[in-house]
Amino acid sequence: SQKIEQNSEALNIQEGKTATLTCNYTNYSPAYLQWYRQDPGRGPVFLLLIRENEKEKRKERLKVTFDTTLKQSLFHITASQPADSATYLCALGKGGYQKVTFGTGTKLQVIP
Amino acid sequence: NAGVTQTPKFQVLKTGQSMTLQCAQDMNHNSMYWYRQDPGMGLRLIYYSASEGTTDKGEVPNGYNVSRLNKREFSLRLESAAPSQTSVYFCASILDRDNEKLFFGSGTQLSVL
Repeated sequence: SQKIEQNSEALNIQEGKTATLTCNYTNYSPAYLQWYRQDPGRGPVFLLLIRENEKEKRKERLKVTFDTTLKQSLFHITASQPADSATYLCALGKGGYQKVTFGTGTKLQVIP
Repeated sequence: NAGVTQTPKFQVLKTGQSMTLQCAQDMNHNSMYWYRQDPGMGLRLIYYSASEGTTDKGEVPNGYNVSRLNKREFSLRLESAAPSQTSVYFCASILDRDNEKLFFGSGTQLSVL
């Protein structure tokens, strides 16, 4: 069955450093991969989408890589700030209406 | 511009009671979704509506029914609540199948005792 793995342990990082979160998947051939941010008590908020034919995508301090051979995506936040503290979810999609599968998320804590 | 609005924010039910979770979006999106989020399980799709007038089952539809009342509104009904349905429920929408960015509501925390 399809499986998406994100590090369930919280990631603690010093302010100003680069945070790197990992999303691995098995038994899946996604057309695209998304990253969302979720704050406590709130719904997820879309951050970035990267398609299967793209290797890397950037948006401000965020960078996402997508390696379909390794079946892995890396999500980087450069110059991290305490305000970046949240849970980050990866989601894989095949296109169409329902083929989006979410990982369980990684909690990031940026320490001042 | 409110985006996706869910009501209520919190609800406590007794086993066997019924209730309807409401969701409305003001972005003129075509497709709407209901997810549940449980610790260690991630977001799981319950039902979705690709367009007004259509609904389809997702990954975990048992114990739920939905109604796409119009383009704006998509409700989720629990006919006979069970403790296993204790969860946080999220409604989401997308513009159409070629725009995969999901917009989520703020969620409903449901406890079934």
